[in-house]
Amino acid sequence: QSVLTQPPSVSAAPGQKVTISCSGSSSNIGNNYVSWYQQLPGTAPKLLIYESNKRPSEIPDRFSGSKSGTSATLGITGLQTGDEADYYCGTWDTSLSAYFFGAGTKVTVL
Amino acid sequence: EVQLVESGGGLVQPGGSLRLSCAVSGFSLSMYWISWVRQAPGKGLEWVANIKQDGSEKYYVDSVKGRFTISRDNAKNSLYLEMNSLRAEDTAVYFCARDRGAGSHEYWGQGTLVTVSS
Repeated sequence: QSVLTQPPSVSAAPGQKVTISCSGSSSNIGNNYVSWYQQLPGTAPKLLIYESNKRPSEIPDRFSGSKSGTSATLGITGLQTGDEADYYCGTWDTSLSAYFFGAGTKVTVL
Repeated sequence: EVQLVESGGGLVQPGGSLRLSCAVSGFSLSMYWISWVRQAPGKGLEWVANIKQDGSEKYYVDSVKGRFTISRDNAKNSLYLEMNSLRAEDTAVYFCARDRGAGSHEYWGQGTLVTVSS
């Protein structure tokens, strides 16, 4: 059982919006920044969101992150077929002195 | 251009050892924390270990403590992962990643496959 809980899958039609939740505890999300990663099939992960809500310069503003308490959310608007991928949240756990990823969420564009 | 290139993967028998390397270019290794992250076939990401800029702090996931050792040679622009007492469950693609700070992995290598099997 992962320290961080994500839904296994989400789906929506092209142009629509999806949100992916990431639930943790006070020792991880509650007191540390959350990052989000996109992994396309057969490729290395790519950083989408850092410090819970910031985007690297090359990431389009269709991707957004937020955090509240012990949960975080990734939002993707204007869904495109190229967004079909696995998405992972990640954060440091202060009590365990280790970094954890969620189990991943597969995004399907219908 | 920031690049991280892993090497050293391969097939090893259970109980064996392997040393992975990560050669970096396009930035000064001495300025960044670096992590190793692995992904078993068809599974999700698992953080393995990280190391501070000067090597003075190292952290490991519980499942590899006492078996894996992370190290770095900033002068050679290289990061290492020494893996001993390997088990079938260590079979994975191993990525090295440059940490941005505040717990995010900003740049990733392409990964190297480690297969533990008899």
